[in-house]
Amino acid sequence: GAGVSQSPSNKVTEKGKDVELRCDPISGHTALYWYRQRLGQGLEFLIYFQGNSAPDKSGLPSDRFSAERTGESVSTLTIQRTQQEDSAVYLCASSSLQNTEAFFGQGTRLTVV
Amino acid sequence: GDSVTQMEGPVTLSEEAFLTINCTYTATGYPSLFWYVQYPGEGLQLLLKATKADDKGSNKGFEATYRKETTSFHLEKGSVQVSDSAVYFCALSDRSGGYQKVTFGTGTKLQVIP
Repeated sequence: GAGVSQSPSNKVTEKGKDVELRCDPISGHTALYWYRQRLGQGLEFLIYFQGNSAPDKSGLPSDRFSAERTGESVSTLTIQRTQQEDSAVYLCASSSLQNTEAFFGQGTRLTVV
Repeated sequence: GDSVTQMEGPVTLSEEAFLTINCTYTATGYPSLFWYVQYPGEGLQLLLKATKADDKGSNKGFEATYRKETTSFHLEKGSVQVSDSAVYFCALSDRSGGYQKVTFGTGTKLQVIP
């Protein structure tokens, strides 16, 4: 696609429910990143994909968080048993080998009530 | 591993003041360097970049020079405007462990007051 697309743009969920966030990177971009940004805070790295593998998932905050990528394209970030502290904007970015600049999606704003 | 360190914010300046936001990095390879900007309520977008030592990236009156000897990429603007109020992120792209990866700093919030 023309840019990085994330869905949904907003998600309100009840505490304890599971949520899935989706990221469609720019076509042909092999690298994909997930970040979390709490209100008024900076970027918190979660996980990095190169192709379908995740060489760096050191930022996942707990075992409630998982992510996968298929077909070197779409990625989903899953948060199980959501907690109020999971409320944040979840940002996805992608980059190619040729142009190392990262392109960001608009994010998914997650609110856990 | 690679890392990016930015000065803590928030930075509050009066309109037309001179801006410097410090950024230093550590990298195992020979990285490209970037500044991204996030305006209120918007996504991150690339502001400027530099790909080799002594390169100067510039855009919208902002500049940053790739200094390999001091591993720095400080962001400067001679005269800030209220519309420059945003969060600024320094980043590097490096080939590390066989992978090309982008690493971000935590961001510096700039507030410009009239």
